[in-house]
Amino acid sequence: EAGVAQSPRYKIIEKRQSVAFWCNPISGHATLYWYQQILGQGPKLLIQFQNNGVVDDSQLPKDRFSAERLKGVDSTLKIQPAKLEDSAVYLCASSSPGGRDTEAFFGQGTRLTVV
Amino acid sequence: AQRVTQPEKLLSVFKGAPVELKCNYSYSGSPELFWYVQYSRQRLQLLLRHISRESIKGFTADLNKGETSFHLKKPFAQEEDSAMYYCALKGINFNKFYFGSGTKLNVKP
Repeated sequence: EAGVAQSPRYKIIEKRQSVAFWCNPISGHATLYWYQQILGQGPKLLIQFQNNGVVDDSQLPKDRFSAERLKGVDSTLKIQPAKLEDSAVYLCASSSPGGRDTEAFFGQGTRLTVV
Repeated sequence: AQRVTQPEKLLSVFKGAPVELKCNYSYSGSPELFWYVQYSRQRLQLLLRHISRESIKGFTADLNKGETSFHLKKPFAQEEDSAMYYCALKGINFNKFYFGSGTKLNVKP
């Protein structure tokens, strides 16, 4: 099966600019996650969707980050305006709404550098 | 609150030596535990899950509820095992995954 697709792979922007990331999950996966991974740390959940509804966005800095998942398939994550501390890898993952042993499948990630 | 702790940032062993990557968790309930691996320039991928009680690439992990641990073990490390390893906990509500900070395993020839 095709994996989780993300674009772009790399992005360099200046602080205070805006940026958007795109994710296409595995077909049929109802759950979609966006994680932020700062260098030297583990992935931190930013937002989780179930179909096109938000399950958890408690860790999303809502003053500058936004995400949507229209039609319950593709998703975009936006940062506006970006800060230096937003430099990180942004990972998208998806999982099927199965039972207890369902895993999350990850995309390659987008490496964001804010200068 | 749920937390996953991986105390070692870096673990270096020689080829053929045993390896153990530590993972401790806190969770009020019955969590599912996973080990994910990220090889150089590749995406994060599942290595194994506790519920399957399987051995993958010679790695095993046993869930110890008394010690709230899920350590990853391999009796004889290989150079191709060099990678970042993340322990992850999935809560029973809404399939949320929580990750540890990761351990970099370096297997020397």
